[in-house]
Amino acid sequence: SQKIEQNSEALNIQEGKTATLTCNYTNYSPAYLQWYRQDPGRGPVFLLLIRENEKEKRKERLKVTFDTTLKQSLFHITASQPADSATYLCALSNQAGTALIFGKGTTLSVSS
Amino acid sequence: DTAVSQTPKYLVTQMGNDKSIKCEQNLGHDTMYWYKQDSKKFLKIMFSYNNKELIINETVPNRFSPKSPDKAHLNLHINSLELGDSAVYFCASSQDQGLRTDTQYFGPGTRLTVL
Repeated sequence: SQKIEQNSEALNIQEGKTATLTCNYTNYSPAYLQWYRQDPGRGPVFLLLIRENEKEKRKERLKVTFDTTLKQSLFHITASQPADSATYLCALSNQAGTALIFGKGTTLSVSS
Repeated sequence: DTAVSQTPKYLVTQMGNDKSIKCEQNLGHDTMYWYKQDSKKFLKIMFSYNNKELIINETVPNRFSPKSPDKAHLNLHINSLELGDSAVYFCASSQDQGLRTDTQYFGPGTRLTVL
């Protein structure tokens, strides 16, 4: 079965630095991978989607890379701000393409 | 306008009771989902419906029964509640079943506590 791992449960960085979150997966080659943000007491919110034929995708201060050889996605937040503090979830589709499988998330804390 | 709404937001009940959680989406999406997020924050798919048809039932006990009266609504009924059912339940929707180009929109969650 597909497995998805987010290496760090928690990441603490200082304001202005770049946060880098890692998502690794096994036993599957997904057609795409998504990143979501979840704030305490709220549902996940979609951030970015990257397809297997895309190496990199950007949206404002966010950047996602997708290395299908390493089976890894990196999620970067540049010029991080305290408002970026949240849990970030990596998700990929199951083999049938009918559901998302989520990683356990990385909780990012940005201190001022 | 709330895109995906759930009621109630909090639900506290005794073991053995039966309860329901309601979900509605006003996005015009074809597919709706129920997820369970446990105390370790692990988010796991339970069910998905596409145009009122059950697509996914991920080894969920029979005590859980989803019902979709129309494609904008997906309710979750739970019979004989157990302590282990305590979790946050999220409803979500997406434009189509394939997910190959679509993202999911999540509701605010329902925190269920079974005493």
